[in-house]
Amino acid sequence: QSVLTQPPSASGTPGQRVTISCSGSSSNIGSNYVYWYQQLPGTAPKLLIYRNDQRPSGVPDRFSGSKSGTSASLAISGLRSEDEADYYCAAWDDSLSGQEVFGGGTKLTVL
Amino acid sequence: QVQLVQSGAEVKKPGASVKVSCKASGYTFTSYDINWVRQATGQGLEWMGWMNPNSGNTGYAQKFQGRVTMTRNTSISTAYMELSSLRSEDTAVYYCARRRGSSGSYWYFDLWGRGTLVTVSS
Repeated sequence: QSVLTQPPSASGTPGQRVTISCSGSSSNIGSNYVYWYQQLPGTAPKLLIYRNDQRPSGVPDRFSGSKSGTSASLAISGLRSEDEADYYCAAWDDSLSGQEVFGGGTKLTVL
Repeated sequence: QVQLVQSGAEVKKPGASVKVSCKASGYTFTSYDINWVRQATGQGLEWMGWMNPNSGNTGYAQKFQGRVTMTRNTSISTAYMELSSLRSEDTAVYYCARRRGSSGSYWYFDLWGRGTLVTVSS
């Protein structure tokens, strides 16, 4: 069972806007930055969003992140077929001498 | 080319140990921590720990303490992760990842290896 909670699945049609939620606690999301990773089928994860809402170079501005309290969200606008992937949120957790924690992942299907 | 190249797939028996390597190229190996993250088939990501290639300092997730050892050989820019007392639940893809940022909240993984499948089976 993952420390951060994500819905197991999400879906949308091309062009739609989809959001994926990530819920944590005061020891992780509540006091630290949130990061999002995209994992395309059969590949390693790739950094998508860092420090809550920053996009690395090369990541389209269709992807955006936000955080409020102990929850965070990833929004994907103008959905495209190539966005079909697993999405993971992550944060540092100050408990247990400090550790990185991940959400269980959300499988995004583009219908 | 900036990349992390991992060793090939392994098959181990329960109780054995496995050592996975991760060779860095295209950047200064000693400048960034290397972390290890695993993923069981169809499951999510699980952080195992980190190693500073410059000092050799390490930090392990509580779940793996006593069973995991992370080391490095700076002369060949390679990091290693050894997991002992293997059980079937350790069957997973093991990724190495470069960590950026100054401290806990600022840490993130910007470069990943392709992963190494470790299968534990009798």
